[in-house]
Amino acid sequence: DVKVTQSSRYLVKRTGEKVFLECVQDMDHENMFWYRQDPGLGLRLIYFSYDVKMKEKGDIPEGYSVSREKKERFSLILESASTNQTSMYLCASTPELQQYSNQPQHFGDGTRLSIL
Amino acid sequence: QKEVEQDPGPLSVPEGAIVSLNCTYSNSAFQYFMWYRQYSRKGPELLMYTYSSGNKEDGRFTAQVDKSSKYISLFIRDSQPSDSATYLCAMSATTTDSWGKLQFGAGTQVVVTP
Repeated sequence: DVKVTQSSRYLVKRTGEKVFLECVQDMDHENMFWYRQDPGLGLRLIYFSYDVKMKEKGDIPEGYSVSREKKERFSLILESASTNQTSMYLCASTPELQQYSNQPQHFGDGTRLSIL
Repeated sequence: QKEVEQDPGPLSVPEGAIVSLNCTYSNSAFQYFMWYRQYSRKGPELLMYTYSSGNKEDGRFTAQVDKSSKYISLFIRDSQPSDSATYLCAMSATTTDSWGKLQFGAGTQVVVTP
């Protein structure tokens, strides 16, 4: 079974702080994703990575950055946290994509982040 | 307008009833359709995964895709209290710029009462 582990379940930070959310997967997956989940809006893609040191913007990248130095680890960074970034953050991974194919994503249990 | 629309519920049914969930979408390029189940304070877990149109059955779960109507459904037979969760539909296209990207519905909360 695929295991996607997010380092913190709950996190409380202050406005203006730099915040790091960590995600590790144990299945040697090439692709990793960061989403935020808000009531009524569903999951929205922030960034994804299809290889080490590679990253692509998702639908809502503003105010976020990412880092992927090792294949199994994908970090989400809030450069200067703001209250509108209070949300549930979910990490996911999937094996290598093939053209005209797709693979379901496997999710971690999320980090509930509160910015005060 | 969102690409994927899903009624947020809550949908309350008695134990043993059939749960019927659906999503509509606007992007005709969507080819992959998924249903995820999410328990409270947990991440989404994959329930069903279908490609293009048709039906797929797995135990008590049946997924249907009607591409002509841009409509997908999930049915849960003989519902149990343990089925109480939020159900998310997700879909993706096969175009190069959409590789790996999923579009999610907002999720429907289901409550199965004993």
